[in-house]
Amino acid sequence: TQLLEQSPQFLSIQEGENLTVYCNSSSVFSSLQWYRQEPGEGPVLLVTVVTGGEVKKLKRLTFQFGDARKDSSLHITAAQPGDTGLYLCAGFMNYGGSQGNLIFGKGTKLSVKP
Amino acid sequence: DTGVSQDPRHKITKRGQNVTFRCDPISEHNRLYWYRQTLGQGPEFLTYFQNEAQLEKSRLLSDRFSAERPKGSFSTLEIQRTEQGDSAMYLCASSTPLAGGRETQYFGPGTRLLVL
Repeated sequence: TQLLEQSPQFLSIQEGENLTVYCNSSSVFSSLQWYRQEPGEGPVLLVTVVTGGEVKKLKRLTFQFGDARKDSSLHITAAQPGDTGLYLCAGFMNYGGSQGNLIFGKGTKLSVKP
Repeated sequence: DTGVSQDPRHKITKRGQNVTFRCDPISEHNRLYWYRQTLGQGPEFLTYFQNEAQLEKSRLLSDRFSAERPKGSFSTLEIQRTEQGDSAMYLCASSTPLAGGRETQYFGPGTRLLVL
């Protein structure tokens, strides 16, 4: 079973459209992170959300952490072809105070057509 | 370039051969992680080191896999008697531990392994 479920798995949209990607779990995470990965490269961290209900903005990207710290969303406004890539959510779980492993979802493959 | 580097970037081998990958972390980072990523999946944790100590190993790390970080700097991941199911991208990441889930792991470009 996948601890972090991402949806949709694939998304193909036109330049200028808005989109939202979801990351859901039945478990509580001490933090959730969003990464972007280009083909043949390693993931690059976009943002870390730590507090339940937290909202962070990075230019046209808005990230939200659920109140119960079990889910997160990534919203992109006016998508551009340069936003194309694999978006991964990842989380740290609390293990009695120690941080534990970083657990990844399967990712959402976004394609933005000009 | 002061990022995480991995060598080689690509490796093609025949089933049954041994392979070794190298990771050079960001110099001031004392944590080093290995992940495996197969097509259509997110990275899966394999193992991590704090300095030279290997602190945790995933069940994915069978006895054919061994990782070392002898001087707390670079690390190697060896796969013995490779199988076709070992074909994947092997990613290395490094970090400095921070409390409260704020740790940032910096990933290398990965080594793509193909076992024929």
